[in-house]
Amino acid sequence: DTEVTQTPKHLVMGMTNKKSLKCEQHMGHRAMYWYKQKAKKPPELMFVYSYEKLSINESVPSRFSPECPNSSLLNLHLHALQPEDSALYLCASSQGQYSFQETQYFGPGTRLLVL
Amino acid sequence: GEDVEQSLFLSVREGDSSVINCTYTDSSSTYLYWYKQEPGAGLQLLTYIFSNMDMKQDQRLTVLLNKKDKHLSLRIADTQTGDSAIYFCAERGGATNKLIFGTGTLLAVQP
Repeated sequence: DTEVTQTPKHLVMGMTNKKSLKCEQHMGHRAMYWYKQKAKKPPELMFVYSYEKLSINESVPSRFSPECPNSSLLNLHLHALQPEDSALYLCASSQGQYSFQETQYFGPGTRLLVL
Repeated sequence: GEDVEQSLFLSVREGDSSVINCTYTDSSSTYLYWYKQEPGAGLQLLTYIFSNMDMKQDQRLTVLLNKKDKHLSLRIADTQTGDSAIYFCAERGGATNKLIFGTGTLLAVQP
C-alpha cells in the first residue's frame, strides 16, 4: 500500500479565516513533506518533517504553520492567507529523509482558494 | 543552479511511442524519478533510476540515463489516451537530498 490521503479535497477560505489541511499515511514512513503547486508549475517544497521534527522550512511565511502530531499525521495550519496563496497543496511521505533509497509518495492534494 | 529542464508540450497519436526528455544539472544526483500528474490530481510515481544505471525498463516504460550529458528520457510504448497528463522528471540533489522537479511536459495523446 503506497497511499497518502489528504483532506479536504477542496477548500475555500477568506483572508481572515483559520483552517487546517490534513495528511495521513500508514506506510511506516518517517519523513513527511508539504509542497505548494501553482497551475502549470512544478511542486515547490515548503516543509520537511523527519521523525516528527521539523527538518526543513523553505522560508515559508508564518501564516503557514506545519504540525506533525505523530508519525502518521501531518497538518498544515492556515491563518490570514492572501489570494496569491491559492494553489494545490500536496503532501508526500518517504521512508526516511536521508535513507539511501528515498522515494516520495504523494497524496491527491488539497485545492485551496483564498478569496 | 538546480534547474531541471523539460520541453513544455508533446503530442502523439494513440499507439505511437512517446519520448519525454529531461536535462538536469546536479551531477551528484543519486536517483532520478518520473512522476505523472493527471488534471486536478496529485503526483503518481511512475518509475525511478539509480544514477549508476543507463537504462531501466518497466512494462511500457523505458528510462534512459546519459550521465555524461545529464540527460534523462522516458519512453512510453504504445501510448494510450489514458497516458495524457503532465510528466515531471525529478532529481534527488546530492548535496541537499531535496527533490528538484523539472518544469513538466504536457503529453497529449490524439485518438
